[in-house]
Amino acid sequence: QVQLQESGPGLVKPSETLSLTCTVSGGSISSYFWSWIRQPPGKGLEWIGYIYYSGTTNYNPSLKSRVTISVDTSKNQFSLKLSSVTAADTAVYYCAKGGGNPFEDWGQGTLVTVSS
Amino acid sequence: EIVLTQSPDFQSVTPKEKVTITCRASQSIGSSLHWYQQKPDQSPKLLIKFASQSFSGVPSRFSGSGSGTDFTLTINSLEAEDAAMYYCHQSSSLPTFGQGTKVEIK
Repeated sequence: QVQLQESGPGLVKPSETLSLTCTVSGGSISSYFWSWIRQPPGKGLEWIGYIYYSGTTNYNPSLKSRVTISVDTSKNQFSLKLSSVTAADTAVYYCAKGGGNPFEDWGQGTLVTVSS
Repeated sequence: EIVLTQSPDFQSVTPKEKVTITCRASQSIGSSLHWYQQKPDQSPKLLIKFASQSFSGVPSRFSGSGSGTDFTLTINSLEAEDAAMYYCHQSSSLPTFGQGTKVEIK
């Protein structure tokens, strides 16, 4: 079981880019898929996208035009960028181990609020 | 996109009662269906993977069944600590989640 920790700004202005990083500890980021998932306040879970350690990505079609997920194996980290944010992007953002399989380990989540 | 529909949306249950939550997929997903528990202000935790396989450390009162389009999560002898939201998730194609089922203790 690995530990995941999200980090990044908790407040982003409308139209700007949301940037978050997930640091993986207790294991290597290599040989697995890694995902970003979000949850608007009081609502359900939405998968954003995943990346394989090699850099292969797959995104939720509803967000694809605004999402970029990248990986830095030397730092055991992967990152999320979501551009042109609006209030609808306000959510708790989770990083998780998994992609085309169960999400076995999750970070604690970080609340990102989009507001001017 | 594969749509997952859970039922019921809400269930109020007395301790030691049996709880059954269903998840129906909009198309066949084999056994690529997983269940999570989420308590308030916590991240989701994997309970059951691939329809019926218990995840490490999960109490034996949690079990899963089903294949194709219809799946069930069962909690035998509900305990107070099981009050939570429960979500299903499919990994047959791009991941999607059910809308969630809230289990409340009477």
